[in-house]
Amino acid sequence: SQQGEEDPQALSIQEGENATMNCSYKTSINNLQWYRQNSGRGLVHLILIRSNEREKHSGRLRVTLDTSKKSSSLLITASRAADTASYFCATNTGGFKTIFGAGTRLFVKA
Amino acid sequence: NAGVTQTPKFQVLKTGQSMTLQCAQDMNHNSMYWYRQDPGMGLRLIYYSASEGTTDKGEVPNGYNVSRLNKREFSLRLESAAPSQTSVYFCASSEGGGAGYYEQFFGPGTRLTVL
Repeated sequence: SQQGEEDPQALSIQEGENATMNCSYKTSINNLQWYRQNSGRGLVHLILIRSNEREKHSGRLRVTLDTSKKSSSLLITASRAADTASYFCATNTGGFKTIFGAGTRLFVKA
Repeated sequence: NAGVTQTPKFQVLKTGQSMTLQCAQDMNHNSMYWYRQDPGMGLRLIYYSASEGTTDKGEVPNGYNVSRLNKREFSLRLESAAPSQTSVYFCASSEGGGAGYYEQFFGPGTRLTVL
């Protein structure tokens, strides 16, 4: 069973709008990461947030983590057409096994 | 730097055939991973190698074998391919891996179809 589950499964917005994706997980984690995948390509790492952190920023990306609710959100501000991709959360509970969710497909209309 | 490279990019097999997927990284990373990605699902870990000389099973290892040939190369072998192994296979590497504190760098993937 998947540790992380993203919501929504798909999201369509206009260029310039903000996009918010959520991730819920089932067991306690060491950290949570977000990755982006453009169509037909490999995954690219976006940001890592540790279990003792609540918020992290990287350029137009803002990630929050609520360990009490076992959830995380990824906010992309001022979306661009180039942000069109699938976004995955990935959780690690220790060791080398990172569990990926099924992803949110984001489509940004120009 | 090429990062993580995978060969081949596409492959079609018949049921029962065997093949090896190749992966190499030029970032001097210690840890390497093989995942499969199926429609509507996230990546699932097949095998990983924490460091040169070690390999361990992931979430879905059945039907696969791996070899960490050296620090750079990590291959995935399908001994007797089955239609259920039709998928996109990704290789990844990271500087380390314990507790998942290192980002993973992914290759472009191999799209495998088993008829």
